Amino acid sequence: GAVVSQHPSWVICKSGTSVKIECRSLDFQATTMFWYRQFPKQSLMLMATSNEGSKATYEQGVEKDKFLINHASLTLSTLTVTSAHPEDSSFYICSKTSGILLGNEQFFGPGTRLTVL
Amino acid sequence: AQTVTQSQPEMSVQEAETVTLSCTYDTSENNYYLFWYKQPPSRQMILVIRQEAYKQQNATENRFSVNFQKAAKSFSLKISDSQLGDTAMYFCALKGGSQGNLIFGKGTKLSVKP
Repeated sequence: GAVVSQHPSWVICKSGTSVKIECRSLDFQATTMFWYRQFPKQSLMLMATSNEGSKATYEQGVEKDKFLINHASLTLSTLTVTSAHPEDSSFYICSKTSGILLGNEQFFGPGTRLTVL
Repeated sequence: AQTVTQSQPEMSVQEAETVTLSCTYDTSENNYYLFWYKQPPSRQMILVIRQEAYKQQNATENRFSVNFQKAAKSFSLKISDSQLGDTAMYFCALKGGSQGNLIFGKGTKLSVKP
């Protein structure tokens, strides 16, 4: 069964509004979770690393004030797209890693399709 | 910097035939992991197979196997007895260093034809 869930699975919003995406670890706790963005017909690009109890680490070129990440508990990380614009329309995927003892497999959520009008 | 390169944007194969997807990578890490993920139209990422760099033996999972050439930094995926359900995007990915995130190639769109 799924070990990572995301909500919502899709969202349509108006330009200028904010959208929150939730990523939950359903089995074991995850002190670190990752947020990726995937544009149509492209690959997954890491946006940021979400760390429980501390600030997220953002990749170069990703605006931290626009993509707010909160990892307030060991099972929940949220990504808020603030003042969304049409160019933010994309597929957002979160993931967590199983760690070395379990083969370093990365478990992905089902993704959230964001469309900004 | 770590990179992953997939040079085949699209490939097709007849049902029941064998197909090989190519992947090369670059990393300065000594200890790293390589993965192939499948992304069907649902867009859920599904792990196909993984390879630890320190293992010389090529990984195998049922109809899926890899040809891991460490010196050449090559990691190809062979799909035997292709099935219609294998139609998907396939991403090669690298995990190295202390960070847990993956570096993905651009993907190969595989179509299995009946």
